[in-house]
Amino acid sequence: DVVMTQSPHSLPVTPGEPASISCRSSQSLLHSNGYTYLDWYLQKPGQSPQLLIYMGSNRASGVPDRFSGSGSDTDFTLKISRVEAEDVGVYYCMQALQSITFGQGTRLEIK
Amino acid sequence: QVQLQESGPGLVKPSQTLSLTCTVSGGSITRGNYYWSWIRQPAGKGLEWIGRIYLGGTTHYNPSLKSRVTISVDTSRNQFSLKLSSMAAADTAIYYCARGSGTYYNTPSGTYFYYYMADWGTGTTVTVSS
Repeated sequence: DVVMTQSPHSLPVTPGEPASISCRSSQSLLHSNGYTYLDWYLQKPGQSPQLLIYMGSNRASGVPDRFSGSGSDTDFTLKISRVEAEDVGVYYCMQALQSITFGQGTRLEIK
Repeated sequence: QVQLQESGPGLVKPSQTLSLTCTVSGGSITRGNYYWSWIRQPAGKGLEWIGRIYLGGTTHYNPSLKSRVTISVDTSRNQFSLKLSSMAAADTAIYYCARGSGTYYNTPSGTYFYYYMADWGTGTTVTVSS
């Protein structure tokens, strides 16, 4: 099984400040075709998860450009350039190269 | 805009089989390059992928649940279903259905389709208790 490990577990952020979440996989997520099979989801309080980023760095439809994804191989990062109140929730990375597994989640809260 | 809605019993007894249905509206379950998936989330905890089915009938299951899971599609009702046998307290969770859609992309070695789960149901809570 591919194990996904996120850090930090909790992330308090002042509105307008940047935020960064790390996700590491126990195996490389680089497909033989050269692309990375890593997505990011946000679960806002009381809601279903919503797709933010796919293939490591592609923003999903309607996702603000303050969200960006980067990384390769086993080390990935989700960055929010300027946190807004509506960004509160739990962020999950998910690998889709071998079956599907999620990270344990990072809870973003407003200071 | 496709919508997904889970339905099923909110309470299941230990050792029983859970049966959940996801009704798809706003689009036919038979059209397009999709898969249909189930994910669950124990209260206050993270997400666990259960499995998925493609229209052609191919299924993939979480290895940790594989022996207990069956996912099927009913095209006549535009629904897909989850059956999870030998339910125990550890199976108490919110169960979500989701649609795997995606995008084609070209590489030097060929054209691929990358799936992601952009559409989710609102979830249904299942409690296992006698």
